[in-house]
Amino acid sequence: DQQVKQNSPSLSVQEGRISILNCDYTNSMFDYFLWYKKYPAEGPTFLISISSIKDKNEDGRFTVFLNKSAKHLSLHIVPSQPGDSAVYFCAAPTSRGGSEKLVFGKGTKLTVNP
Amino acid sequence: KAGVTQTPRYLIKTRGQQVTLSCSPISGHRSVSWYQQTPGQGLQFLFEYFSETQRNKGNFPGRFSGRQFSNSRSEMNVSTLELGDSALYLCASSLGQVQNSPLHFGNGTRLTVT
Repeated sequence: DQQVKQNSPSLSVQEGRISILNCDYTNSMFDYFLWYKKYPAEGPTFLISISSIKDKNEDGRFTVFLNKSAKHLSLHIVPSQPGDSAVYFCAAPTSRGGSEKLVFGKGTKLTVNP
Repeated sequence: KAGVTQTPRYLIKTRGQQVTLSCSPISGHRSVSWYQQTPGQGLQFLFEYFSETQRNKGNFPGRFSGRQFSNSRSEMNVSTLELGDSALYLCASSLGQVQNSPLHFGNGTRLTVT
């Protein structure tokens, strides 16, 4: 049962254009979401997050939008740069007895072409 | 501040053997989590430790175990290795709740079982 889904395994965009990465979730109890970026041979690094009390959070070139009614969030990168080429994971925390774990989507590989 | 350190970076083992992976969290982080990344299943939660106690465990067989030491360093052990255990094993540390302190990941240990 995949609670967080990233239906596009890959995305290719031209440098300078917008990249839009999508993520859907099924668990309506999720109230916080994170995006991680992962380069080959490195661990995931935290990129940006959003709380369910907001519908948008922006950090420089990165903006995350949340549509709670559709259980959908998206990450926008504007303008895209070749260094943004990486795998992007959407994730949501779940709690049990004070312990949290992240539930991840399977990732979208973004390629930004010069 | 040093990041999360995982050793070794690469391991090759034979079916039936056992393996121990090590993780040193960021200084001051008392929560350590382990995740398995495979191409088919993505990133999946193994377990979480806090103050030497396992607080949460994912859906993995008992062959997967771990522990945390008083200095917050953690180890995970996989016994009776199977081919399907080949994966990237990621350790992450945090100060507390994800909303206040996102998980910081190490670069992982790439385990190959032959």
